[in-house]
Amino acid sequence: DAGVIQSPRHEVTEMGQEVTLRCKPISGHNSLFWYRQTMMRGLELLIYFNNNVPIDDSGMPEDRFSAKMPNASFSTLKIQPSEPRDSAVYFCASSLIGGNQPQHFGDGTRLSIL
Amino acid sequence: RKEVEQDPGPFNVPEGATVAFNCTYSNSASQSFFWYRQDCRKEPKLLMSVYSSGNEDGRFTAQLNRASQYISLLIRDSKLSDSATYLCVVMADSWGKLQFGAGTQVVVTP
Repeated sequence: DAGVIQSPRHEVTEMGQEVTLRCKPISGHNSLFWYRQTMMRGLELLIYFNNNVPIDDSGMPEDRFSAKMPNASFSTLKIQPSEPRDSAVYFCASSLIGGNQPQHFGDGTRLSIL
Repeated sequence: RKEVEQDPGPFNVPEGATVAFNCTYSNSASQSFFWYRQDCRKEPKLLMSVYSSGNEDGRFTAQLNRASQYISLLIRDSKLSDSATYLCVVMADSWGKLQFGAGTQVVVTP
């Protein structure tokens, strides 16, 4: 079975550029989560969706960050403009609500802003 | 105070030995608990769910103590491949939001 699919795997870009990260959740899952992980701050929840609707975006660090989920099989996390401090690994995870199901993570996108 | 607290370690364990560690959580209403493992530069992966009665999965045993609000993980007959960071995880709401501990590093040595 296909797991959570994230793209790109790696992204290196210059500060000020727009960055778009993509995520395809596991088919049938109805919750989707975006995380950021750095050595200094650990794993941080940025935003999560249920049935394509944002539930809580309080973890989004600034207005430069935005996320959308136009349908059940696709989500994007956008940073515009990007800054060097946004460099991190960004993970997407999905789960099925009900029965206390765990989340399943994608491989992550390693983002470096120069 | 962090919502899920763990000893960061590292726990240095000889191959074949047993290691145990735990975490504490602050939300007494939490209903679901998990252990994830994370290898260096990889994504967190579900190791096992933790049930009230305690449960085993091969060499791994998880225990939950609701009264004291702690969760434990025991690894028997440690393998070199068990070297990883183990994340204690608590479900925070009905939407499936998880609260992660900062992780306990385990290093199994030959």
